[in-house]
Amino acid sequence: AQKITQTQPGMFVQEKEAVTLDCTYDTSDQSYGLFWYKQPSSGEMIFLIYQGSYDEQNATEGRYSLNFQKARKSANLVISASQLGDSAMYFCAMQQMIKAAGNKLTFGGGTRVLVKP
Amino acid sequence: SAVISQKPSRDICQRGTSLTIQCQVDSQVTMMFWYRQQPGQSLTLIATANQGSEATYESGFVIDKFPISRPNLTFSTLTVSNMSPEDSSIYLCSADLRAGELFFGEGSRLTVL
Repeated sequence: AQKITQTQPGMFVQEKEAVTLDCTYDTSDQSYGLFWYKQPSSGEMIFLIYQGSYDEQNATEGRYSLNFQKARKSANLVISASQLGDSAMYFCAMQQMIKAAGNKLTFGGGTRVLVKP
Repeated sequence: SAVISQKPSRDICQRGTSLTIQCQVDSQVTMMFWYRQQPGQSLTLIATANQGSEATYESGFVIDKFPISRPNLTFSTLTVSNMSPEDSSIYLCSADLRAGELFFGEGSRLTVL
């Protein structure tokens, strides 16, 4: 069974600074995907970034980058130049790529980020 | 990117009643997924909805409690039946577009009194 671990329940970060959110995973699958989502207080899940297990380069999307270390089974999210609007819950998720079952996600417990002005 | 819309966005329900949540995707998708997020918790998959076949439920979730319909490739519904306060959660649908693109609806926040 897949397992996703986010060890930081909450973090404070100063506006304009960078922050790293930890995510480790456990799987015996060779092919998988890793996602990060942002969930503001409104409850919607906002897709941030994706990394495939066979991607050799770390994914980047604007101020978001994913530090993918396959051997260590970690997929940390780095948010650069934090903004007040980045205050939210952040979830790491792993995607099983099982053709018959579809690409369902297993989520970590989440990290709450609060950006201080 | 696809737009996934859910309704209702929130509702307050009485114990013992049922509520149906709708999820509409603006493009055809093979798989749709329903998740539950209990207060202060992470997301847990309820079931996978495939068009033209019965939904596949995860351990701990049963069809009698969470019946799902998937009448076409752009639409699905989840019903929360015979609700109790423990069913108070955010319910989210997501659609499987292609590798690296798995988006969510805005969520339906249910409060059961």
